[in-house]
Amino acid sequence: NAGVTQTPKFRILKIGQSMTLQCAQDMNHNYMYWYRQDPGMGLKLIYYSVGAGITDKGEVPNGYNVSRSTTEDFPLRLELAAPSQTSVYFCASSSSKQGANSPLHFGNGTRLTVT
Amino acid sequence: GQSLEQPSEVTAVEGAIVQINCTYQTSGFYGLSWYQQHDGGAPTFLSYNALDGLEETGRFSSFLSRSDSYGYLLLQELQMKDSASYFCAVRDNYGQNFVFGPGTRLSVLP
Repeated sequence: NAGVTQTPKFRILKIGQSMTLQCAQDMNHNYMYWYRQDPGMGLKLIYYSVGAGITDKGEVPNGYNVSRSTTEDFPLRLELAAPSQTSVYFCASSSSKQGANSPLHFGNGTRLTVT
Repeated sequence: GQSLEQPSEVTAVEGAIVQINCTYQTSGFYGLSWYQQHDGGAPTFLSYNALDGLEETGRFSSFLSRSDSYGYLLLQELQMKDSASYFCAVRDNYGQNFVFGPGTRLSVLP
């Protein structure tokens, strides 16, 4: 199993450019998440989805959009990149079950720099 | 609101025992988890508590007291490879969301 796969691993954007961060999971998980992590900080939830066709805002959604057309894929869209969006972005997935057998599985992250 | 608090840094020597505390305040509670993250890496799952008490997984143990909104991660027989950041996370919002603490950076000295 590949688990959670994120692409690209690194990206440099100019202010005002747009891009899509890709995320795919092969564990048939219902729940998927996008977090951002600034240097030396914790993880902030951007958007999440509890199933195909269902998305909702997290703590820091401004400047981002998501879609969930399939169970496997959960892309994150940045429309007008700003320096404040320089961060490491982690996609994660989880089973909808409660308990220790349903932790978050993280991708390896996308390191984004906006200049 | 939702908030979790952890110490920012902890330092210990190889072979020692260290405890990382976490207090939380969330709108709902469906369990407390711990994740480890090495520099440049992704967080990985360590432990989970849904009920009060101690859960043991090898050298790592995790404790929860729901009445005190408090938990801790206990690392025994510390090794150099345990140097990493450790995050507590609460599953809330009917189990749909994971809210993370700010993280504790553990440095293990020889």
